[in-house]
Amino acid sequence: DVKVTQSSRYLVKRTGEKVFLECVQDMDHENMFWYRQDPGLGLRLIYFSYDVKMKEKGDIPEGYSVSREKKERFSLILESASTNQTSMYLCASSSMSHRVTTEAFFGQGTRLTVV
Amino acid sequence: QKEVEQNSGPLSVPEGAIASLNCTYSDRVSQSFFWYRQYSGKSPELIMSIYSNGDKEDGRFTAQLNKASQYVSLLIRDSQPSDSATYLCAVLSGGYQKVTFGTGTKLQVIP
Repeated sequence: DVKVTQSSRYLVKRTGEKVFLECVQDMDHENMFWYRQDPGLGLRLIYFSYDVKMKEKGDIPEGYSVSREKKERFSLILESASTNQTSMYLCASSSMSHRVTTEAFFGQGTRLTVV
Repeated sequence: QKEVEQNSGPLSVPEGAIASLNCTYSDRVSQSFFWYRQYSGKSPELIMSIYSNGDKEDGRFTAQLNKASQYVSLLIRDSQPSDSATYLCAVLSGGYQKVTFGTGTKLQVIP
């Protein structure tokens, strides 16, 4: 079974703090994704990576950065946390088949509260 | 226009009935389509993937894809209370790597 593990289930951080969310997958997937999920807005893509050290902006990258130094690990960084970044953060990974992304598998999610 | 649109619901069906969930998308060159189920407080889990026009069946679930009309649907036969969840439609677009999700349809199966 594919396993995508996020480092924390719940986090509470203060405004202005630098926050690191970690994600590890054990299936040698090429692609990794960070989404945030908010009521009424659904899942929105923040960043994704299709290879080590490669990254692409998603729909809402402002205020975030990412790092992928190893294939299995994808980190989301909030440079200076703000209250509007309070949300559920979901990491996902997927493989490639014939140059097309296959289905994504999700971690358990991190509920981040910025106070 | 949103890239992937779903009716937010809630869609209420009696136990044992067929639940029909619909999704439309805007990118004509989309190639891959996915249905996820998400229980409250949990992360999405994959139910079905479909890549070509027509129907694809897996147990009580049938995914239907019509690329000409740009819609994909999910049918759940013999609905059970345990099927009560939010169902997310996802579409692969933007250079074969970006997966875009709809906002989800909440399904309630009434015992």
